[in-house]
Amino acid sequence: KQEVTQIPAALSVPEGENLVLNCSFTDSAIYNLQWFRQDPGKGLTSLLLIQSSQREQTSGRLNASLDKSSGRSTLYIAASQPGDSATYLCAVKDNAGNMLTFGGGTRLMVKP
Amino acid sequence: GAGVSQSPRYKVAKRGQDVALRCDPISGHVSLFWYQQALGQGPEFLTYFQNEAQLDKSGLPSDRFFAERPEGSVSTLKIQRTQQEDSAVYLCASSPGRGREQYFGPGTRLTVT
Repeated sequence: KQEVTQIPAALSVPEGENLVLNCSFTDSAIYNLQWFRQDPGKGLTSLLLIQSSQREQTSGRLNASLDKSSGRSTLYIAASQPGDSATYLCAVKDNAGNMLTFGGGTRLMVKP
Repeated sequence: GAGVSQSPRYKVAKRGQDVALRCDPISGHVSLFWYQQALGQGPEFLTYFQNEAQLDKSGLPSDRFFAERPEGSVSTLKIQRTQQEDSAVYLCASSPGRGREQYFGPGTRLTVT
């Protein structure tokens, strides 16, 4: 059974710092990996989707990498802003199934 | 265009009551998913539809949980005889097809007292 772990569980940084969020998964037979943002009391907003054949995806200040063989993905946020404060969730879709398996999330606080 | 919508946004039920949660997916999306998110945790899969067919219900925690999508569009998640452990946010997601990006609704926060 696929298991997804996110480290750290919480992170507090001053505005302007570059930061890295980590995601690891136990079964490397994945179809794709998705990073989401969740604001308090809200649903999930998709940030980046990486197919299993890709190594990375970029959107603005966000860059996500995927190393399928080692079961790891990282989300890099450049020049963090207070508006980036949210919970960031990593989710994988296995080759065999259709659903997403989520990590527990990293709660990010960017202080002005 | 409209995203995924869910209703109600908040529901308070007394233990033992039945509840029905509604999901309106993005028009044309054939895949529809239900997830349960406990406080402080990531969402967990409940069930999956492709059009009107329920292809996977392996995540439903008990036979008190039932989901349907009779016309391949709107879906309803029903929980019978609610228990306190059912308190969670129920998220619905839709997708244009297998392996494609999933788009999530705002969720329904269920509190069982």
